[in-house]
Amino acid sequence: DTAVSQTPKYLVTQMGNDKSIKCEQNLGHDTMYWYKQDSKKFLKIMFSYNNKELIINETVPNRFSPKSPDKAHLNLHINSLELGDSAVYFCASSQDRTTGELFFGEGSRLTVL
Amino acid sequence: EDQVTQSPEALRLQEGESSSLNCSYTVSGLRGLFWYRQDPGKGPEFLFTLYSAGEEKEKERLKATLTKKESFLHITAPKPEDSATYLCAVEGGSQGNLIFGKGTKLSVKP
Repeated sequence: DTAVSQTPKYLVTQMGNDKSIKCEQNLGHDTMYWYKQDSKKFLKIMFSYNNKELIINETVPNRFSPKSPDKAHLNLHINSLELGDSAVYFCASSQDRTTGELFFGEGSRLTVL
Repeated sequence: EDQVTQSPEALRLQEGESSSLNCSYTVSGLRGLFWYRQDPGKGPEFLFTLYSAGEEKEKERLKATLTKKESFLHITAPKPEDSATYLCAVEGGSQGNLIFGKGTKLSVKP
């Protein structure tokens, strides 16, 4: 059983389109995250939710909107995609917001043409 | 500004050739330093947490140490399966987010 699973693994789309990435964790964790890893391999936090409540919202364009229907799921919707959005997006979870021990999904590679 | 710098960017070793990876950081109020391993096409996998200067953690051929300004990941007698990118992250600062370094890509040749 995969602990943190995200779908799809690959997305290829045109500029201006809207896309969503889904994430689910079966670890019973309270906190979930979205990270972006760009072409230079920097891993940067985008959002963090604790028990469905948004607790971290880094400087991310408001075209990116996270949604957490329950504490096991955190989805990412991206509107009006731009070339610079091309990256690998990782979902992660942790037992709570106080620990830096994160469990990551395998990533979703987004390519915007 | 809080930041994490890892060196070298890439390291090629022969099997059995021990070495160290460096992670230097500047962060106000360090709450923890974390090491992760990332294989190609996969998400990072947690290895160690270090909380205070002088602390050490070990796992198989890996040993992580922490000082007030940097951390080292020592790899003893590495094997090809240790090949991966090793990421360092610190938690602290005003936001308390995890701040990742760019990683060190380790290649171990048989």
